[in-house]
Amino acid sequence: DTGVSQDPRHKITKRGQNVTFRCDPISEHNRLYWYRQTLGQGPEFLTYFQNEAQLEKSRLLSDRFSAERPKGSFSTLEIQRTEQGDSAMYLCASSSPGNNEKLFFGSGTQLSVL
Amino acid sequence: RKEVEQDPGPFNVPEGATVAFNCTYSNSASQSFFWYRQDCRKEPKLLMSVYSSGNEDGRFTAQLNRASQYISLLIRDSKLSDSATYLCVVSGGADGLTFGKGTHLIIQP
Repeated sequence: DTGVSQDPRHKITKRGQNVTFRCDPISEHNRLYWYRQTLGQGPEFLTYFQNEAQLEKSRLLSDRFSAERPKGSFSTLEIQRTEQGDSAMYLCASSSPGNNEKLFFGSGTQLSVL
Repeated sequence: RKEVEQDPGPFNVPEGATVAFNCTYSNSASQSFFWYRQDCRKEPKLLMSVYSSGNEDGRFTAQLNRASQYISLLIRDSKLSDSATYLCVVSGGADGLTFGKGTHLIIQP
């Protein structure tokens, strides 16, 4: 499968714990995006990278959230001191240099904070 | 006013019928427009781009009205497999692509 892959698919954690998610984009795609989606809502933009550079961060991304893409390939999203309000589907997407606005999404990581 | 607004539905439509829904956007500087489809518990997938001149892909027709700042999606001869949430997506804002909340479509046999 050469699509966008995310790991884990599901994560259950207790409030206050740290969690980290991984995203592997389509190999030739230079842009990588993180979105968050809750039930009944559309995906909300969190941040995006062009290669290894983080170019945009949403105001939704509090200081408890950090994302990295150290070698311009896979990315990680870490949430520190999780809160119940962090429970959501975290979606990763990538796009190619020739068509930056066509996003290919991964299956997402469903986070439940108890 | 929200950046991208859609009627959440659900739209309950008999199989074979034609259904249309609109999406309005607030940023007049928006340049690109898309419809994504999202099945239950799945990731969004691009359905079609929306061009100024309007475009058609099989049973699906998308149109853009810049003056009134809305885009539309028309589905003809609807199939059971068309049941999904349809997300309106607009580019040009501070956060790149902005998604609407989606319109939930249910095609009934």
